[in-house]
Amino acid sequence: DGGITQSPKYLFRKEGQNVTLSCEQNLNHDAMYWYRQDPGQGLRLIYYSQIVNDFQKGDIAEGYSVSREKKESFPLTVTSAQKNPTAFYLCASSPGSGGLYEQYFGPGTRLTVT
Amino acid sequence: DAKTTQPTSMDCAEGRAANLPCNHSTISGNEYVYWYRQIHSQGPQYIIHGLKNNETNEMASLIITEDRKSSTLILPHATLRDTAVYYCIVRFLYGQNFVFGPGTRLSVLP
Repeated sequence: DGGITQSPKYLFRKEGQNVTLSCEQNLNHDAMYWYRQDPGQGLRLIYYSQIVNDFQKGDIAEGYSVSREKKESFPLTVTSAQKNPTAFYLCASSPGSGGLYEQYFGPGTRLTVT
Repeated sequence: DAKTTQPTSMDCAEGRAANLPCNHSTISGNEYVYWYRQIHSQGPQYIIHGLKNNETNEMASLIITEDRKSSTLILPHATLRDTAVYYCIVRFLYGQNFVFGPGTRLSVLP
């Protein structure tokens, strides 16, 4: 099955701990993205990567970090510096970057920090 | 990317066509219109996109006005499984991300 997987679906952490969210795709897509969604809101871009070993900050990158060591993987670390980490996190991939290409989304990880 | 305006919510009877409007009056010539939907607690699902011509696929039709300032997504025979939040997004040709607004909450009623 081709697609994007995110694990786990639900994640619970104590305040002050770093946590890493997994995102894997087997679509052979070059571009990958991380979004955050808060209740009743649209999606906001955290980081994106157009190619392996390269990534760019999105609109709300503070308190987050990413890596792109392999084409198929784009993990997101939520650090203790993120003031309001509880949210629904969505990973997406695209064959290329820019308006010509649609993005395909994973099922999301719901992170709760207490 | 140009901003979009959508109604907050809409209802549609099962089996009828659902017509979801979107205004994007400041759209420029190299911006695409995309539609996604999100069923509760799932990732958004791509529906359709277009530049200036009307488009149709197995899920929906996209009608873009001649001046490109508005568009309508048509689900020809809505089912209960089409209940979701529908997002209209205008995306620049060289843009990097999709800017999702609050969308339209479509409720398909039996």
